[in-house]
Amino acid sequence: QKEVEQNSGPLSVPEGAIASLNCTYSDRGSQSFFWYRQYSGKSPELIMSIYSNGDKEDGRFTAQLNKASQYVSLLIRDSQPSDSATYLCAVARAGNNRKLIWGLGTSLAVNP
Amino acid sequence: GAVVSQHPSWVICKSGTSVKIECRSLDFQATTMFWYRQFPKQSLMLMATSNEGSKATYEQGVEKDKFLINHASLTLSTLTVTSAHPEDSSFYICSARGFGLAGGPETQYFGPGTRLLVL
Repeated sequence: QKEVEQNSGPLSVPEGAIASLNCTYSDRGSQSFFWYRQYSGKSPELIMSIYSNGDKEDGRFTAQLNKASQYVSLLIRDSQPSDSATYLCAVARAGNNRKLIWGLGTSLAVNP
Repeated sequence: GAVVSQHPSWVICKSGTSVKIECRSLDFQATTMFWYRQFPKQSLMLMATSNEGSKATYEQGVEKDKFLINHASLTLSTLTVTSAHPEDSSFYICSARGFGLAGGPETQYFGPGTRLLVL
């Protein structure tokens, strides 16, 4: 079992729809969770961090965390073609250096 | 806030030469910097974790004598690829984290990356 799992996609949604991206993790002791966006040929950029169970909203983006189910998701409302990218889920592992454990990413295509 | 720069953005070198890549946190003090490598259409691969003033911690399988990391200050880390070979051609990306940032102390902020092509 991979430590952080994401559906590789591609996930295809029409413009204006809600895109739902999912991520599961295996380490129950994980405390910090992150969503990054990576455009082709570019470095990752932070979308949102979440630390507590529940929802966290920032503009068109909502992160949802359920520690009991070891599940974190990202919803993108009113999806735009410019949202087409790979979305990376990362989980901070407890212990030395607190490095991030990365999922392989979900490719999202928003069709005009 | 939380801007990270990298230099150079791309470099072409001959096989056998060494290449140095700089990573700077421009508006915060980076307690820890990370170096990643990414091959085309593959996921990020962490190479090493670097804390200011101490030796870097390398991931399993990463040659520390080939990828030299120096973290001399709270705003600068360098990665030197020694005796580069064509198989070292890749996209090298640094990230940094620090205290007092909006995303929290464990959030990593990425530089724009450096493309290395070894001929």
